[in-house]
Amino acid sequence: GQNIDQPTEMTATEGAIVQINCTYQTSGFNGLFWYQQHAGEAPTFLSYNVLDGLEEKGRFSSFLSRSKGYSYLLLKELQMKDSASYLCAVSRKAAGNKLTFGGGTRVLVKP
Amino acid sequence: NAGVMQNPRHLVRRRGQEARLRCSPMKGHSHVYWYRQLPEEGLKFMVYLQKENIIDESGMPKERFSAEFPKEGPSILRIQQVVRGDSAAYFCASSPLLERSYNEQFFGPGTRLTVL
Repeated sequence: GQNIDQPTEMTATEGAIVQINCTYQTSGFNGLFWYQQHAGEAPTFLSYNVLDGLEEKGRFSSFLSRSKGYSYLLLKELQMKDSASYLCAVSRKAAGNKLTFGGGTRVLVKP
Repeated sequence: NAGVMQNPRHLVRRRGQEARLRCSPMKGHSHVYWYRQLPEEGLKFMVYLQKENIIDESGMPKERFSAEFPKEGPSILRIQQVVRGDSAAYFCASSPLLERSYNEQFFGPGTRLTVL
């Protein structure tokens, strides 16, 4: 089976940095996705990692260590609009690339 | 290029009625996935379909739930004899062909089902 863990909730201040960790256990790993989901809306794609290392995209960066089954999403220069849930999801090629999601991390950005 | 479309966006049903949720994938996408999100929870995989084929339905409840993706028209998720526990947001995602290793799934806006 698969197990994906991420913190339930985090609070940070506008302009600060927040790091959301995700640990996973799976076989046939074919990449890890991060999605952002605002309340009542669809998840939107943020990043994809399949090789070890850091992927940077503007204010958002994502890191992967396959040997440790670990990823993090780094949000820099936080803005109020970044208040949302952040979903970690693992893809398995043998499973038709269906995604297995963690429970999501709700990030609250305070002024 | 229009994104993934789902309708209706909101659906209210009484216990025992049927719910039909529709999903039109992005143009050129031949893979459709359905996920369910209960209140305050993460998304859970339900079923994966290609045109006229159910590839993986391991996440679908064995009874009352069915899905199809016909040659023409949208994918349909059908829930018969709904119960209160079916109240959730149902998201559809589509993806292009799997030949390349990276296959992002694009999500639709979801259908929020409320069972009274």
